[in-house]
Amino acid sequence: GQQVMQIPQYQHVQEGEDFTTYCNSSTTLSNIQWYKQRPGGHPVFLIQLVKSGEVKKQKRLTFQFGEAKKNSSLHITATQTTDVGTYFCAGALYNFNKFYFGSGTKLNVKP
Amino acid sequence: DAGVIQSPRHEVTEMGQEVTLRCKPISGHDYLFWYRQTMMRGLELLIYFNNNVPIDDSGMPEDRFSAKMPNASFSTLKIQPSEPRDSAVYFCASSRPGLQETQYFGPGTRLLVL
Repeated sequence: GQQVMQIPQYQHVQEGEDFTTYCNSSTTLSNIQWYKQRPGGHPVFLIQLVKSGEVKKQKRLTFQFGEAKKNSSLHITATQTTDVGTYFCAGALYNFNKFYFGSGTKLNVKP
Repeated sequence: DAGVIQSPRHEVTEMGQEVTLRCKPISGHDYLFWYRQTMMRGLELLIYFNNNVPIDDSGMPEDRFSAKMPNASFSTLKIQPSEPRDSAVYFCASSRPGLQETQYFGPGTRLLVL
């Protein structure tokens, strides 16, 4: 079964509105990564979270790792048209040497 | 650094033909991953190598798929015979030593099997 679940599948927002995507795992993750894929492009690494409860920021992007290390979120403040794309989380399980990608959240921003 | 290089970028073939996808990882990266991306199934890990050795091929769909890494700078993913349901974007990615490092993706090969 799918190890890492991601919601929502799609999100349409007006430019300037906020956006959040969520990742959930039924098992504890050793760490989680976030990637962005522009339309027609390839996934590009954004950030990695390792510690329980960790919060990291990149300009308008805020990434959180849950206390139990089973969930994570990516929040974008005041979206811009350049934020358009699909955002993937990828969770790594302890003792498993690979990442499980979520299904992605496709973000569309209307100008 | 040129990044991960994949070829061809686009491939159109007929059902039953053999397809070979190629990947050159970033120099110094000793992990190499092959992914398949479709609308229906999202991004799926097919197989990954460490130091040219296949470690986990549990994602390979069936015997029609095979992957090799004869040296540190080259890997192939072969589909024989190809079927229309194999149509997808195939990504190669590499990462530095330490499995849970950042994965750097190539531009992908868009495969269409008619």
